[in-house]
This record gives sequence, C-alpha cells and structure tokens, in this order.
Amino acid sequence: EVQLVESGGGLVKPGGSLRLSCAASGFTFSSYSMNWVRQAPGKGLEWVSSISISSDYIYYADSVKGRFTISRDNAKNSLYLQMNSLRAEDTAVYYCARVEFGEWLLSAWGRGTLVTVSS
Amino acid sequence: AIRMTQSPSSFSASTGDRVTITCRASQGIINYLAWYQQKPGKAPKLLIYAASTLQSGVPSRFSGSGSGTDFTLTISCLQSEDFVTYYCQQYHSYPPTFGGGTKVEIK
Repeated sequence: EVQLVESGGGLVKPGGSLRLSCAASGFTFSSYSMNWVRQAPGKGLEWVSSISISSDYIYYADSVKGRFTISRDNAKNSLYLQMNSLRAEDTAVYYCARVEFGEWLLSAWGRGTLVTVSS
Repeated sequence: AIRMTQSPSSFSASTGDRVTITCRASQGIINYLAWYQQKPGKAPKLLIYAASTLQSGVPSRFSGSGSGTDFTLTISCLQSEDFVTYYCQQYHSYPPTFGGGTKVEIK
C-alpha cells in the first residue's frame, strides 16, 4: 500500500523557518517525481513545488520561489521542504504527493501537515 | 499561468441525481486535465486523468470529457459519499494550476 506521511508542521512566527518531511513507503520512491501542494484553511489547492527522480528538474510556484527549497533523499525514501522567511499567507496544510505521469499529475497524497505562521 | 475556472462553485443535488461540473482553461491544454475529489479533513484523491481516463478503483458513475479548453466531470447517479468537493487541475504546463473547487451539497 502506498503511504506518504508528512511531518514537521507547527506554529512559527513570521520570518521564521520550518522544514517539512514526507516519509514514503509501499512503492519504489526513487522511481517517482514528487510534489508539495498546500491548502490554506477553507481555501482551494495550490501547487507549491516539484522535484524529479534524480533532482535534476525542480520547479517552484512564484509565491514561494527564493524562500522554499525542495529536496529528496532516495536512500531514505524521503521528501523535504525547507521553508524560510515564512509569511502569514503561507499558513496552510501542506501535502506531499506522488506523481503518476510527467511532473504534475498527482496519484497519491499524504494526509498533510499544518503550518501556521502567526505572531 | 493557465487559469482554471470551475463552475458552479457549489450547488445542491439529491441522491440519485446526474450532475455535471465544468472546468475551463484559459488556454488550450489538449487533454492534460485531472479531476480530484476531496472529503472534509482529508487529502485529495485522483478520480480522472487525461480528461476522461478513470483512475483505478474509482466507481464507474464518474466520467470525464473534453479537450482543449473545456472539460466536464459527470457523476451519473449521486451517492451519499459523493457530496464533497471536486477540483480540476491542468498538468500541461508549468505552473500546474487547480480550479477553485466545486462543492456538491445535499438538497
């Protein structure tokens, strides 16, 4: 069974940093591109970032470019999102998701981790 | 960025109804269109990809159609578990974008 489990969320002050992790199991992690998608409370889905199998291709939404860094460790079956210079508008549930085809078709999602940016 | 516009944003229906949700892309995306279902407090679930291909395990009452800029998701016979929120997404080009969502409510 495919499992994606996010962790690392919490309450952080504006300007602070947080590192999210996503532990993958039930599939060959090193064979799939991965994404982060977020959802602000009561709002819709917003794509955040994607990373290819060997980390050759990395993309970011304009809203997080220069502040967030996606990475992966295929040996540890793990995906990461380093978030710096956090803003109130970054408050959201962050989901990691596995790509099915191409870079952005998302066939499996974790349950998400909540990030709250507030003073 | 390609803008995805879903309509309606919400509507009411009854169990057993046939309903259709529309998604329009601001530019052509061929058939690089996915539909997701999201239940309250849960992660989204992929229902349909390539505009009309049903993801494995998804009930056949769900169907998708369209190409270019106009797409539809149809639920042929609403079940109680279908009264949730649906999102379309284009994965044709960077950045991938989602529609605003359609909430299906019980009449």
